[in-house]
Amino acid sequence: AQSVSQHNHHVILSEAASLELGCNYSYGGTVNLFWYVQYPGQHLQLLLKYFSGDPLVKGIKGFEAEFIKSKFSFNLRKPSVQWSDTAEYFCAVMGTGGFKTIFGAGTRLFVKA
Amino acid sequence: DAGVTQSPTHLIKTRGQQVTLRCSPISGHKSVSWYQQVLGQGPQFIFQYYEKEERGRGNFPDRFSARQFPNYSSELNVNALLLGDSALYLCASSLAAGGASGNTIYFGEGSWLTVV
Repeated sequence: AQSVSQHNHHVILSEAASLELGCNYSYGGTVNLFWYVQYPGQHLQLLLKYFSGDPLVKGIKGFEAEFIKSKFSFNLRKPSVQWSDTAEYFCAVMGTGGFKTIFGAGTRLFVKA
Repeated sequence: DAGVTQSPTHLIKTRGQQVTLRCSPISGHKSVSWYQQVLGQGPQFIFQYYEKEERGRGNFPDRFSARQFPNYSSELNVNALLLGDSALYLCASSLAAGGASGNTIYFGEGSWLTVV
C-alpha cells in the first residue's frame, strides 16, 4: 500500500537548535517528493520538492531535504531554527505515473523563543 | 497573480444536508484536486480533475462528487452529510495532471465544514 510515515508527531526545540524531521514512504515506482508547511492560521505552502537529480534539495527559509532512495526516506533539515518556524510540517509523495499526492500525518514543531 | 481561491471559507450544515464547495485554480492551471483534512491528520485525496475529466478518485463514498468547468474552476459536492464529514476541504491546482515530472500542486486556504 502507498503510504507516508512521519516519525514524530510533536517536536519542541529551542531557538538556534538544529532540526531534522523524518519521513519514510512506501511506493512502488518513481516518485516526486515534497515537504509542505502550514503556519498557524495559514494554508499549506510548498517548502521544497524533489523530482530528480541532486538528492539534496534546498527550499525556502533555509530548509533542505535529502532523498535517500535505498531507505525510501526524505528527511527535512534546518541547521538553526527560529521561533517563526513554529508550524506543522507535512511530507508528501506523488508517483510519477499517479494522480494523487499522499501525505503523512504531519509533525507539529514548536520553537521556544 | 491570485493563488487558489476557495469559497465559502466556513460553513455549518446539518446532518443529511448537501453542501457545495467551490474552487478557482491559479491562472493557467488546468488540473484541480480536492483533499479532506481532518484535525490532526494530513490531507486525504478525494478527486483529481484535469481538462474537465476525472483522472483519479480516492477512497471516499459515492456521496462525494465533483466536476470541473470549462474555465477550469471546480465544485465539490457532498450529499447526505454525516458528522464525520466535518473537516477542512482543500482545493489544489497544478499545471499538469498527476505525477508528471516537475508537477507541483498549490493549495488554497480551504473551506471549513462543520456538520452538526
